[in-house]
Amino acid sequence: EAQVTQNPRYLITVTGKKLTVTCSQNMNHEYMSWYRQDPGLGLRQIYYSMNVEVTDKGDVPEGYKVSRKEKRNFPLILESPSPNQTSLYFCASSNYGGLTNSPLHFGNGTRLTVT
Amino acid sequence: DQQVKQNSPSLSVQEGRISILNCDYTNSMFDYFLWYKKYPAEGPTFLISISSIKDKNEDGRFTVFLNKSAKHLSLHIVPSQPGDSAVYFCASPSTGNQFYFGTGTSLTVIP
Repeated sequence: EAQVTQNPRYLITVTGKKLTVTCSQNMNHEYMSWYRQDPGLGLRQIYYSMNVEVTDKGDVPEGYKVSRKEKRNFPLILESPSPNQTSLYFCASSNYGGLTNSPLHFGNGTRLTVT
Repeated sequence: DQQVKQNSPSLSVQEGRISILNCDYTNSMFDYFLWYKKYPAEGPTFLISISSIKDKNEDGRFTVFLNKSAKHLSLHIVPSQPGDSAVYFCASPSTGNQFYFGTGTSLTVIP
């Protein structure tokens, strides 16, 4: 089954404790991206990657890191989480990314709470 | 940069009636728009798209209309069903291979 898999689904952590949210896709997609969803703000892009070893900032990259060492994986790293990073996070992938008619496929989300 | 706006946070419709969800955008350079549907505890799923070479695209009960002069698109669901109750996002690609999403409209279809 074609899918984007995120782990964990739920995560509660404390301020400053480094964490990683994993994302993997099995569709051989070139493009991967991370979003956060907050009430009243919709989905905002954090980082995206057009291919292996190519990553770019989205609209809200502060406090986040990503890496794309393999085509299928795109982990999101919070080196020192803060309470304002409490949010619902989605990973997504597509064949060619923006500027094309290639829809994004989303994972089921990771609910992160930073206390 | 492309901005997409959904000015109605919520919408309630009786089962069997038409649901109309609206979206406005700011940049005419980009001509491809998508609608996504999101249920609680799930990721958004692609619903329907439209490009500027068309002013209408239909897929079963779902039709998207594009009014380029008004920079406006709308999603029509006819007839609405309780299973359509979800949050709907419009989205558009922007510069640098980014996607911009609206803030979403929560649709409730009342049986």
